[in-house]
Amino acid sequence: QKEVEQDPGPLSVPEGAIVSLNCTYSNSAFQYFMWYRQYSRKGPELLMYTYSSGNKEDGRFTAQVDKSSKYISLFIRDSQPSDSATYLCAMSEASYDKVIFGPGTSLSVIP
Amino acid sequence: GAVVSQHPSRVICKSGTSVKIECRSLDFQATTMFWYRQFPKQSLMLMATSNEGSKATYEQGVEKDKFLINHASLTLSTLTVTSAHPEDSSFYICSARDLAGPNTGELFFGEGSRLTVL
Repeated sequence: QKEVEQDPGPLSVPEGAIVSLNCTYSNSAFQYFMWYRQYSRKGPELLMYTYSSGNKEDGRFTAQVDKSSKYISLFIRDSQPSDSATYLCAMSEASYDKVIFGPGTSLSVIP
Repeated sequence: GAVVSQHPSRVICKSGTSVKIECRSLDFQATTMFWYRQFPKQSLMLMATSNEGSKATYEQGVEKDKFLINHASLTLSTLTVTSAHPEDSSFYICSARDLAGPNTGELFFGEGSRLTVL
């Protein structure tokens, strides 16, 4: 079993749809959870950063962490064509520790 | 957010030569930097953790003599791919943490370096 699992997609949705992206993990010691967006041939950029379980909202993005189920989610509301990218979940045991990435989900938002 | 600069963005080299990739934190000091490798349509695989002033910590399966890492200052880490072969062709990305930033666990990434070995 891989340490972090993520459906690679591709996921295609119409503009304005709500997008749900998910990851599961096996290491119960993970405490810090992140979502990164990566455009083709570019470095990833951070979208959301959360500690432990709970929800966090930032604009059209909402991150949820359920540590009891070892499951994290990213919701994108009112999706836009510019949201088309690969979304990577990532996590670490401590704020200074190495970060492990999921395989990424490719998202296309169709105008 | 903090800025990480990576150079070169693209490099093409002949098999058997060595290639150096630089990673700089432009507006913060980074005692630790991370080097990742990414194959097309795949996720980032951590290669090694670069520690300022000490030896890098390599992940299992990564050849330390093949991928030389030097972190001589708080703002610069270099990755040298020695005696490169076509199978080393990949996208190499560095990242660093700004421990003085609001999210101490946040990684800032460089733009990546695409290596093609002929």
